[in-house]
Amino acid sequence: GAGVSQSPSNKVTEKGKDVELRCDPISGHTALYWYRQSLGQGLEFLIYFQGNSAPDKSGLPSDRFSAERTGGSVSTLTIQRTQQEDSAVYLCASSLLPGPNEKLFFGSGTQLSVL
Amino acid sequence: ELKVEQNPLFLSMQEGKNYTIYCNYSTTSDRLYWYRQDPGKSLESLFVLLSNGAVKQEGRLMASLDTKARLSTLHITAAVHDLSATYFCAVYNFGNEKLTFGTGTRLTIIP
Repeated sequence: GAGVSQSPSNKVTEKGKDVELRCDPISGHTALYWYRQSLGQGLEFLIYFQGNSAPDKSGLPSDRFSAERTGGSVSTLTIQRTQQEDSAVYLCASSLLPGPNEKLFFGSGTQLSVL
Repeated sequence: ELKVEQNPLFLSMQEGKNYTIYCNYSTTSDRLYWYRQDPGKSLESLFVLLSNGAVKQEGRLMASLDTKARLSTLHITAAVHDLSATYFCAVYNFGNEKLTFGTGTRLTIIP
């Protein structure tokens, strides 16, 4: 597609439920990143994929969070047993290649609200 | 741990005025990025600064990088209303190969 696509754009869930957030990167982009943006906070790195593998999962806040990427394309971020503190905007970004010289292209995000 | 600080966090300025947003970071890096985010929208890449002394300009915005001082600036010249947005800087950490973002500067241009 023309840009990074995320779905759903908004998700309201009850505490304790599981949620899945989806990211479709720009076609051909090998690197994919998940960030979280909380109210009044900057962007917090969650996880990075190079192809289908995740060399760096250090940003995942707890073991309730997991992510996968299949076919070097679509990625899914799963949050199990959601808590109110998980409420945030989850942003996905992709770049043609990983590394410091590459421009990141961001999706519009998924606004997650945990009641 | 790399820390990235921006100031000011909030900035209201009148149209036509000049101002500068500052981005300080705590460890050595010579890769710095500026992004713009409009309310409810995604982040848009503005500048990629790849070396000490790098300066880039686009319209009324100019970004510079001083790696010795670990400082980047985003200068706004003769502000116009459509520059109202939140601006983020981000620093590439070569140690863990990821971007660390500042908390953002919310800029409001008043007519």
